[in-house]
Amino acid sequence: QQQVKQSPQSLIVQKGGISIINCAYENTAFDYFPWYQQFPGKGPALLIAIRPDVSEKKEGRFTISFNKSAKQFSLHIMDSQPGDSATYFCAASMQETSGSRLTFGEGTQLTVNP
Amino acid sequence: KAGVTQTPRYLIKTRGQQVTLSCSPISGHRSVSWYQQTPGQGLQFLFEYFSETQRNKGNFPGRFSGRQFSNSRSEMNVSTLELGDSALYLCASKKGGMAEAFFGQGTRLTVV
Repeated sequence: QQQVKQSPQSLIVQKGGISIINCAYENTAFDYFPWYQQFPGKGPALLIAIRPDVSEKKEGRFTISFNKSAKQFSLHIMDSQPGDSATYFCAASMQETSGSRLTFGEGTQLTVNP
Repeated sequence: KAGVTQTPRYLIKTRGQQVTLSCSPISGHRSVSWYQQTPGQGLQFLFEYFSETQRNKGNFPGRFSGRQFSNSRSEMNVSTLELGDSALYLCASKKGGMAEAFFGQGTRLTVV
């Protein structure tokens, strides 16, 4: 119930295209859903996040779509650029009396071809 | 504003040894969490510290331990190292009561 499933494992997109990465979760107690971007040799960087009371959040070229009933959320990268080539992780957490922890998806390696 | 700082960046240790990793959170952040990242298991939660108290723990053996100091800096210790402990160890800091977690660059531990 704590798992977050992410797909696809890898994705190749042409420059200017739309990259879409999907995640699904089981635990309905999750109340925070961030996406992280990780470049080789670096730590994950917080990209954008959403809470379940909102169905969509947009920041620049990055959009999260959230479907509470389906327990799914996705990251859309519009006008994908070669500099977006990185590994993307979705995650979920819930605030507990004993603190919180992030449960991560397996990661998607995105390659944007010039 | 400085980000999360982890030291050292790289470590090579021998099986059976122990190791201590350090994390300095973003100024004002009192919560520090540790994660292990491996190609096979992905990103897995180790533990979280807040105000010098461990308040959340993942499914790792007791060889993995940590502590937090009064200035919010945290250390993680792994005793009796095994080859499978080779991983990128990441530290994340949060403001108390906030959900956003910010990661450091990690410490790459190699056990030989």
